[in-house]
Amino acid sequence: QQQVKQSPQSLIVQKGGISIINCAYENTAFDYFPWYQQFPGKGPALLIAIRPDVSEKKEGRFTISFNKSAKQFSLHIMDSQPGDSATYFCAASKTGGFKTIFGAGTRLFVKA
Amino acid sequence: ETGVTQTPRHLVMGMTNKKSLKCEQHLGHNAMYWYKQSAKKPLELMFVYSLEERVENNSVPSRFSPECPNSSHLFLHLHTLQPEDSALYLCASSMGLAGSTDTQYFGPGTRLTVL
Repeated sequence: QQQVKQSPQSLIVQKGGISIINCAYENTAFDYFPWYQQFPGKGPALLIAIRPDVSEKKEGRFTISFNKSAKQFSLHIMDSQPGDSATYFCAASKTGGFKTIFGAGTRLFVKA
Repeated sequence: ETGVTQTPRHLVMGMTNKKSLKCEQHLGHNAMYWYKQSAKKPLELMFVYSLEERVENNSVPSRFSPECPNSSHLFLHLHTLQPEDSALYLCASSMGLAGSTDTQYFGPGTRLTVL
């Protein structure tokens, strides 16, 4: 019940295309869903986050779509660029708690 | 240097060695975390400290021993490790306030190889 399942494991997208990464969770107590971006040699960094009271959040080219009834959420990267090539992690947590559950990560490669 | 720093960045040790990983945060946060990152696996939370008290200990083997002398520093003491402990060890910090949405800020990690 504590897992967050992430797919795909890896993704290759042409420059200018849309990258889509999906996650599913089980614990309905989770109320905070961040996405982290990790470049080689660096630690993960927060990219964008959403709470289940909204179905979509957009920041620049990055959009989170959230489906509370299906317990699924996804990251869409519009107009993907080579600089977006990184590993992306979805995560879930409860507000005020210290335990964040991470997905296994998606390695994105954007071809120039 | 700002943010979360970790030293050393790379460490190679034998199974009988004793070494320590160091983490320092310059963000004024109250909570600090150790994670293990292995290839193609989710980040594994190892320990959490809030205001220098350990609040999470995720069934980590005793060959890993954390220490949090103050809210800015976190150590991970290593002894008699196994080759399967080779991984990237990430430190993170967060505000750690009850009721807050707690974004974690990660350091660059220490790449540990156990021979």
